[in-house]
Amino acid sequence: NAGVMQNPRHLVRRRGQEARLRCSPVKGHSHVYWYRQLPEEGLKFMVYLQKENIIDESGMPKERFSAEFPKEGPSILRIQQVVRGDSAAYFCASSPDPLPDTQYFGPGTRLTVL
Amino acid sequence: TQLLEQSPQFLSIQEGENLTVYCNSSSVFSSLQWYRQEPGEGPVLLVTVVTGGEVKKLKRLTFQFGDARKDSSLHITAAQPGDTGLYLCAGDDYKLSFGAGTTVTVRA
Repeated sequence: NAGVMQNPRHLVRRRGQEARLRCSPVKGHSHVYWYRQLPEEGLKFMVYLQKENIIDESGMPKERFSAEFPKEGPSILRIQQVVRGDSAAYFCASSPDPLPDTQYFGPGTRLTVL
Repeated sequence: TQLLEQSPQFLSIQEGENLTVYCNSSSVFSSLQWYRQEPGEGPVLLVTVVTGGEVKKLKRLTFQFGDARKDSSLHITAAQPGDTGLYLCAGDDYKLSFGAGTTVTVRA
């Protein structure tokens, strides 16, 4: 069984461009979570989605960031007009249910903003 | 969001030595997870502790949950180079709160 897949693994953008990060959950998992890991910091929760619904976006910046998990296809984390402070590793996790110990993490996307 | 503090931040030991990593909070957790993260990869779940005072063993790794469910420790016996990595504790509900982690380096 394939685990959580994220692409691209590395993404370089210039300030002001858009970044799109994709996450394909484990087959059969309907819960997706996005986390951000800044250098020398722990992972911070950003958003929790179920199919076609945002359940909790309390950790996501109000501006420039958006997330979706459509009925078909991967979950997308979109960052508009990126700034240098957006440079980080972004991890997606999926789970079959909303319990803390059932989340499987992907390998992450390393975003570098020049 | 509940705050988790991990110590030490860095730990470098020789192969065969023992080590302990700590995870502390001022808040009570219903459960706490330990993960290991290798460079360029996502965290991998090692164990979940739920009951105060619980001790779980995973080969050479021993995990303990404090009686008050506010703290936890990870002890590695006879560490090997393959144990090298970033050890993270996390808790709370579905939106996991992570500590900053302990970077463990085991030298051959």
